[in-house]
Amino acid sequence: EAQVTQNPRYLITVTGKKLTVTCSQNMNHEYMSWYRQDPGLGLRQIYYSMNVEVTDKGDVPEGYKVSRKEKRNFPLILESPSPNQTSLYFCASSPARDRGSGANVLTFGAGSRLTVL
Amino acid sequence: GDSVTQMEGPVTLSEEAFLTINCTYTATGYPSLFWYVQYPGEGLQLLLKATKADDKGSNKGFEATYRKETTSFHLEKGSVQVSDSAVYFCALIPYNFNKFYFGSGTKLNVKP
Repeated sequence: EAQVTQNPRYLITVTGKKLTVTCSQNMNHEYMSWYRQDPGLGLRQIYYSMNVEVTDKGDVPEGYKVSRKEKRNFPLILESPSPNQTSLYFCASSPARDRGSGANVLTFGAGSRLTVL
Repeated sequence: GDSVTQMEGPVTLSEEAFLTINCTYTATGYPSLFWYVQYPGEGLQLLLKATKADDKGSNKGFEATYRKETTSFHLEKGSVQVSDSAVYFCALIPYNFNKFYFGSGTKLNVKP
């Protein structure tokens, strides 16, 4: 089954304790991205990657790191989490084809709910 | 820059009512346009899409038409059901595919 898998789905941690949220896709997609969703603020992009070893900042990158060493994996790293990073996080992937092909559809993971105390 | 603006919610309707959720966009050239839906406790999933002007995307009774002249992609459904209660996001990819742009989401509540 084609899917984007995030882990963990739920995590409660404390301020300053480094954590990694993993994201893996089995569709050979070039494009991967991380979003956070907060009440009243919609979906905000944290980082995205157009391909292996190519990453770019989104709208809210502060406090986060990413890496893209393999095509299928795109982990999100919080080096020193703070309470304002409490949120629902989504990973998503897409082919990066010609715009007119209609193939550029984002597939989302189920989400990771993170609480930082 | 590129952006998507959609109507604020929540929108509350009775079952079988007509639904419209407005979405307008700003983009250079011809973006691809999407509606995504997020059911409670789940991730976002594609509802429908359109890749060129005058295209109509449709799925599960929902429709949206790509209007270049009004830069709009409004979501409509003729008769909503309780099971349509969800958050709906309008989105676009610019013609040069650098990133996806999402609207702020509109929560729909459908009452029996």
